[in-house]
Amino acid sequence: QTLLTQPPSVSGAPGQRVTMSCNGTTSSIGAGFDVHWYQHFPGAAPRLLIYRNSNRPSGVPDRFSGSRSGSSASLAITGLQAEDEAHYYCQSYDDSLSSYVFGPGTEVTVL
Amino acid sequence: QVQLQESGPGLVKPTETLSLICTVSGGSISSGGTFWSWIRLRPGKGLEWIGYVYHSGTTKYNPSLKSRVTISMDTSKNQLSLDLKSVTDADTALYFCARDVEHTWFDPWGQGIKVIVSS
Repeated sequence: QTLLTQPPSVSGAPGQRVTMSCNGTTSSIGAGFDVHWYQHFPGAAPRLLIYRNSNRPSGVPDRFSGSRSGSSASLAITGLQAEDEAHYYCQSYDDSLSSYVFGPGTEVTVL
Repeated sequence: QVQLQESGPGLVKPTETLSLICTVSGGSISSGGTFWSWIRLRPGKGLEWIGYVYHSGTTKYNPSLKSRVTISMDTSKNQLSLDLKSVTDADTALYFCARDVEHTWFDPWGQGIKVIVSS
């Protein structure tokens, strides 16, 4: 089930900054559960991009940044590059469902 | 470096059981404190967590799938498995296995296996 909401798509020119939102509820992000972000290219394994709201794993460029506020979170990509074209998914936990939850994903297009 | 690889049939008939295997390399599946999850991506839908297994054999499932899912592990083969019974076309999806880090996020993931439910 999709219990986090994300915009279906965002786009930007190379070098621009794009952001995408992840909206949860009072039983997920609003309850204080952390948000994590994944990058997914078709045919490849999803890649952890941001963990615990704003932390980057080793190897992830600092062009990617995350934040969380209230019941929402956001992912920003600065200095957009053609290689950033992918689907981006947010993930958290929902206490009322006792289950991990994901967003439907945002497709990033580089114009 | 831990790597995961899913395997199994790519086509399952309606009402039958979908059975997949995830082989873990580069690390022991029975390492203390490590959870292992199955996650799926259905066409036009977002990702959906299916459930996890802990090295002790403890499991937890998504309530929406709990009545049909069994996840287990074979420590001798360093594998985890997924059984989803009574499948319908709504179970057509890309199925991933992933390590559940600190019981909060998933890293790494396998590249996934596409399963189609069709007669």
